Order: sequence, then C-alpha cells, then structure tokens
Amino acid sequence: DAKTTQPTSMDCAEGRAANLPCNHSTISGNEYVYWYRQIHSQGPQYIIHGLKNNETNEMASLIITEDRKSSTLILPHATLRDTAVYYCIVRVSNTGKLIFGQGTTLQVKP
Amino acid sequence: GAGVSQTPSNKVTEKGKYVELRCDPISGHTALYWYRQSLGQGPEFLIYFQGTGAADDSGLPNDRFFAVRPEGSVSTLKIQRTERGDSAVYLCASSSQGTGTGLSTQYFGPGTRLLVL
Repeated sequence: DAKTTQPTSMDCAEGRAANLPCNHSTISGNEYVYWYRQIHSQGPQYIIHGLKNNETNEMASLIITEDRKSSTLILPHATLRDTAVYYCIVRVSNTGKLIFGQGTTLQVKP
Repeated sequence: GAGVSQTPSNKVTEKGKYVELRCDPISGHTALYWYRQSLGQGPEFLIYFQGTGAADDSGLPNDRFFAVRPEGSVSTLKIQRTERGDSAVYLCASSSQGTGTGLSTQYFGPGTRLLVL
C-alpha cells in the first residue's frame, strides 16, 4: 500500500475553511484516497473518499490533483467540534485493511 | 440505526490473564475488522473477517491473539497470557462488503480500552 505524508499538526480559526494536505506520491491506479478523523476517545469516523475525481459530501470536500500524488481535505466552515486527528489513507481496492499513519492533529480555535 | 458496538468499554486485567473482547457489527454487514491503537499512534490492523472466515489475519502480533466470528455476525477477540504491552484500545469496524466487487466504507465502534497491570 502506498504511504501517505501529512503535517503533524495544524490550527484553524473557527468559521474558516480548514485545508488539510496529504501527499501520496507512490499511489497506484487502483488505490483510493480515504479520509477518517478521530475525536478524542472515540473510534475513527469516516469522512470521504475518492479515486481521481473531486468529491463532496455533507461533511467535507476532497480535492485530488490530476497526477493523484496529493490531495486536500477541505472542511468549509470549521467548528470547535472539528478538532480531531485527521487520517489520510491510501487503500488498495482488493484489500480489506486500512493502514493508518500518524495523521494531522487539527486544532480549531475560537 | 445502530452502529458498531463493543463490550466492555473498559477492561482492566492482570498480567498473564485471559481476556475476551466482543464486537457487534452493524446489522447485515458481512465484513468485520479488528484494529489496535496504542497511545499516540494511529490504529493498526489486526484481522479481517468476510462472513465467518478470517480473510486476512496478517496483523495478529503473535499466537496469543485469536479472533472468531462463528455465525458471521458477532466477533470475539481473545488474548491469552496477557502482557503489559497488550494495553491499548481495541477497535472493531464493519462494512457491508469487503473486497472484490468494490470498496465499502468501514464504520468503527467506540473501542475497548484494555489495561494490563
């Protein structure tokens, strides 16, 4: 599975957009980009995933570069409840397991 | 609807004891996964069930760890002769399908916090 690289931590002002980057330069054609987040003392929560097109749902948007070597998760209007560790994961389509890295700790500040 | 549930939420045991951790997946989900999360780390894959069978157990650290899913629904993770290094949060996830026909999102439970004294 391809490895992902994320910044260790980021801050964001409440109400502003939070843009979380992820590098996955060794991604293969059949690998999807998944984002999960984990709020303290809870299990990981699914956010969004994509293959090569940009995706949007009620939680976030996922922007994947044309060469698929990096992506950005966008939380359009961050709230204090979005403070969490955000994991970017590259997942091969024929494997069940998710391989988590260290993630990015996002701190949303008032 | 009900999500993935795990019991107990917390478990304290002594070194050398046997423990069982239970996972109730979302109803109808055929795939079930176990992960382990140590303090300050991301979750680490342990084992994946498709139905009753273990499709991938490559993450189990040693033969003290064993998991079953006899009826294709509830799963139990069993740890024999516990060691202090086994202390972690044990997470369970389920998905409506595993692999093959396409990816399916994994939904996680709240975890069981195991402390081995």
